[in-house]
Amino acid sequence: DAGVTQSPTHLIKTRGQQVTLRCSPKSGHDTVSWYQQALGQGPQFIFQYYEEEERQRGNFPDRFSGHQFPNYSSELNVNALLLGDSALYLCASSASRQPQHFGDGTRLSIL
Amino acid sequence: AQRVTQPEKLLSVFKGAPVELKCNYSYSGSPELFWYVQYSRQRLQLLLRHISRESIKGFTADLNKGETSFHLKKPFAQEEDSAMYYCALSGSGGSYIPTFGRGTSLIVHP
Repeated sequence: DAGVTQSPTHLIKTRGQQVTLRCSPKSGHDTVSWYQQALGQGPQFIFQYYEEEERQRGNFPDRFSGHQFPNYSSELNVNALLLGDSALYLCASSASRQPQHFGDGTRLSIL
Repeated sequence: AQRVTQPEKLLSVFKGAPVELKCNYSYSGSPELFWYVQYSRQRLQLLLRHISRESIKGFTADLNKGETSFHLKKPFAQEEDSAMYYCALSGSGGSYIPTFGRGTSLIVHP
């Protein structure tokens, strides 16, 4: 089991564009959470998906949206990209109330 | 609002020395506390949880509700302990949505 996999690993976009990041959870996990990690900071919770619905959301604007598919994989979409959206985006999966397993992240750079 | 404070950005020790990574939290209810670790070129992973009361790789952490702290300790540091350490808190009764501190980089010199 490769664990949590994220794609792409790196991405470069310009301001105003839209981006989609993808995550496949660890086998047996049904819950996916997304985090934004700015340089020198800890991960900041964006939202969590369970049973294809957004279950909890952090303090992020509506430009950040997501989706979970029947196979539990998930996408994070960010519209109208800003320079400040440059960060490492982490996906984590879990089962029930078990601790989360993290992926390697997608490094998003906004020019 | 819940908050996690890791006052040290960097902690540098020599091999064999004791190490203590500080973590203070703010939360109105009963929190669940975690330590996560990220070794060089590896993904973030859970090191230990306060409810497990276990020692992982020689590390222990005790929840002190009076001082609202959850410091990570190891009596004798090893070079392989060099990594980024994050303290995290989640509210009990909900799902595991941790609030992370900014992290402490531990460097263990030979």
